[in-house]
Amino acid sequence: AQSVSQHNHHVILSEAASLELGCNYSYGGTVNLFWYVQYPGQHLQLLLKYFSGDPLVKGIKGFEAEFIKSKFSFNLRKPSVQWSDTAEYFCAVNAPDTGTASKLTFGTGTRLQVTL
Amino acid sequence: DTAVSQTPKYLVTQMGNDKSIKCEQNLGHDTMYWYKQDSKKFLKIMFSYNNKELIINETVPNRFSPKSPDKAHLNLHINSLELGDSAVYFCASSQAGTGVWEQYFGPGTRLTVT
Repeated sequence: AQSVSQHNHHVILSEAASLELGCNYSYGGTVNLFWYVQYPGQHLQLLLKYFSGDPLVKGIKGFEAEFIKSKFSFNLRKPSVQWSDTAEYFCAVNAPDTGTASKLTFGTGTRLQVTL
Repeated sequence: DTAVSQTPKYLVTQMGNDKSIKCEQNLGHDTMYWYKQDSKKFLKIMFSYNNKELIINETVPNRFSPKSPDKAHLNLHINSLELGDSAVYFCASSQAGTGVWEQYFGPGTRLTVT
């Protein structure tokens, strides 16, 4: 079974600072990887996803993530955060070639707080 | 147009009661899910249905019973509510066969059991 680790539980940054949130997964087979964002009081929205091809994927709102297969990592980055990026960020993985391909396993989330 | 909708948005009830949460998606997806998000924001899958058939059933008390009348709807009924059931419940949907299984989430139902 796959699992996901997000080591940063709470990150505080000033506006315009650069962001990198860590995500590591454990599964030896083919994976699809996702980053979701949850703004305060709202539902989860997809930021970006990786399923094949270029390991550097670009998402909405200036976010990007890089899949490094050898490190089992899929870190989220943004060069310059804004106050409106304050939210909870979730990394998730599924294993598309398994019998439970539809099952998304989430990390514990990272709370990002951007200060003015 | 709301892609995945849930009702109600808030639900406050007493221990021991039975309640239902409804979910509908208009994306034409064939797979639907229920997740529970606890007070620490941890998201855990509870159930998944594909074309009205149960395909994922995590370790969930049998007081929780999902029902899928058609592939656009997945309802969650909870019997004998307990304090520990207080959480935000999210419905989601995806389309099988794409190989990606990207999921779209509803707005959530905040359940408070007193």
